[in-house]
Amino acid sequence: EAGVAQSPRYKIIEKRQSVAFWCNPISGHATLYWYQQILGQGPKLLIQFQNNGVVDDSQLPKDRFSAERLKGVDSTLKIQPAKLEDSAVYLCASSFSESGNTIYFGEGSWLTVV
Amino acid sequence: AQSVAQPEDQVNVAEGNPLTVKCTYSVSGNPYLFWYVQYPNRGLQFLLKYITGDNLVKGSYGFEAEFNKSQTSFHLKKPSALVSDSALYFCAVRVNTGFQKLVFGTGTRLLVSP
Repeated sequence: EAGVAQSPRYKIIEKRQSVAFWCNPISGHATLYWYQQILGQGPKLLIQFQNNGVVDDSQLPKDRFSAERLKGVDSTLKIQPAKLEDSAVYLCASSFSESGNTIYFGEGSWLTVV
Repeated sequence: AQSVAQPEDQVNVAEGNPLTVKCTYSVSGNPYLFWYVQYPNRGLQFLLKYITGDNLVKGSYGFEAEFNKSQTSFHLKKPSALVSDSALYFCAVRVNTGFQKLVFGTGTRLLVSP
């Protein structure tokens, strides 16, 4: 079965510019997650969707980050305007449901802000 | 707060020798514990999980993990290390804050020398 798809894989932007990342979860997976992984740290959850609804965005910097999953399938994470400290890997993940199932990750989108 | 700790930033082992990557947890109630591996410039790959049952869990690529409730540990092990096992390993715990999510440790870099 196809895994979690993410694009672009790599992006370099200047500070104050905007960037968007796309994610297509595993088919049939209702729960979708965006994690941020800063170099040398473990992944940190930014936002979690159950179908097309947000269930946890407590750690999303809402002044600059936004995410949507309009049709309950693929999702977009946007950063505007970007800061140097946003340089990280943005990992999309999905699971069949939010309770007890394994979470599968995509390859990540690597962002460098200069 | 529910969390996992990985006390070692790096573990060095010679090829053919057994390896252990340590993880301890702090969770109220029964823990759901996971191990993921991250190869350079790649996303996280699921290795194994403990939900309930047998304390010794077998996973992908010959890895296994032992759940120890009295020591609140979930160490990752492999009887004979390969150079190709060199990667970054993350322990994670599923926490329930209304909706369930994974909280990751800081990661342990495993270096297997020929």
